[in-house]
This record gives sequence, structure tokens and C-alpha cells, in this order.
Amino acid sequence: QPVLTQSSSASASLGSSVKLTCTLNSDYRNHIIAWHQQQPGKAPRYLMKLESSGRYSKGSGLLDRFSGSTSGADRYLIISNLQSDDEAVYYCETWDSNTWVFGGGTTLTVL
Amino acid sequence: QLQLQESGPGLVKPSETLSLTCTVSGAPISRSTYYWGWIRQAPGKGLEWIGAIYYSGRAYYGSSLKSRATISVDTSSNQFSVRLTSVTAADTAIYYCARHLFSGTEYWGQGIPVTVSS
Repeated sequence: QPVLTQSSSASASLGSSVKLTCTLNSDYRNHIIAWHQQQPGKAPRYLMKLESSGRYSKGSGLLDRFSGSTSGADRYLIISNLQSDDEAVYYCETWDSNTWVFGGGTTLTVL
Repeated sequence: QLQLQESGPGLVKPSETLSLTCTVSGAPISRSTYYWGWIRQAPGKGLEWIGAIYYSGRAYYGSSLKSRATISVDTSSNQFSVRLTSVTAADTAIYYCARHLFSGTEYWGQGIPVTVSS
């Protein structure tokens, strides 16, 4: 079964950029993942899917400030020009053998 | 625009069965590309996948709840449901229904809070 590892927290200043990391265990390093954003008190929101090639496909209405990239087993969510409402928990997710798995989430604080 | 809406009781007594329904609007649940799933989030915790079902009725479950969870689908009503037996306080959570692709969860319901308490 795939395992997704995320740092528990991250912080960056208003207007700057941040790169959040989601690491797949080695047997699943080529899996597609999805990124989700959960703002306080709200349901999660699908942001994008991200392939092992680094190709990503964003969800409807997602701003250009959000992008993705890949390096080996690592999948990144990059947010540029950080805004206060980017403060949220970000989850990665993958699928294998009819099972969907989530990472533990990274809490992003915008300073 | 696809919408998913959870419904069911917000309070369940310990040892009883939790039953929730998700009503899908904006697309037929019987479209073959998708799976329809349930995910929960305990207070202050992360996301836990409960299970998912295909329109044909074939269901799949996460290992932690497999023995207590049952997911069913009603294509005529464009709904799917989850039942969780023998609930305890540890089952207190927000329950989300969702549409899954193999690349991840594309759409989420707004969530329904469920408390297990006598």
C-alpha cells in the first residue's frame, strides 16, 4: 500500500513563495498524486493532480499562483505570491488497487 | 456543476449504527469512470478514507474500518450510502462524500458532522 509523507507544518511570508513536499514510499514512486487544500472550517478542495513526469493538471478555477513539480518520489505543491487565505492544511493523496490514501497534511502558516 | 450533499443524523448513540447518504446532482452516478467514496475527519485530525463504491455495486474499504463499514449505491436515486456498525466515541467526525478518480478525489461534499454520544 502506498504511504504519503508530509511535514506537519510550514510557514512563509505574505507575498513570498512556498514549496510543500509530499513523499511517496519507494515502491510507489511513480504514482500520480492529488493535492487538496482545506481552509479552516471548510471541506477539502481539490487543487490538482501531479504525475511522476512533473506534468500537472489543475482543478477548475485554480489560480496561476498554484503549480506542481516532481523530483523522484517527491511531489511538490508550489504557491507563489502567498496570500492570507492560502493559510490552510494541504493534503496529498494517491490511489492503488482500489484504495485511496491520504498524507497526514501540512499546516501552512502565512506570516 | 457536480454537487454532492451528505445527509443523516448528527447524533448517534454508542454501539448503534451510523447511516449516511450522499445525494449526487449534476451528473449520473452510473457514469463508468468514477468511484463514489466516503472520507472522514476526526476533530483536529487528518483525512481517513473509509471506502468507495462503483456504480455496479462493487465496494472497496480501507483496512481500519473494513469490518464495520458497508457502502451501497442506488443509481435510480443517484445516491450512495455508508453504514458503520457498533460506533464508539472514536467514530465522532465530519463525514465527507466524494467522487474519486484514479488520480485522486475530484469533488467533495460539504461534510456532515456526526457525534457519537449517549
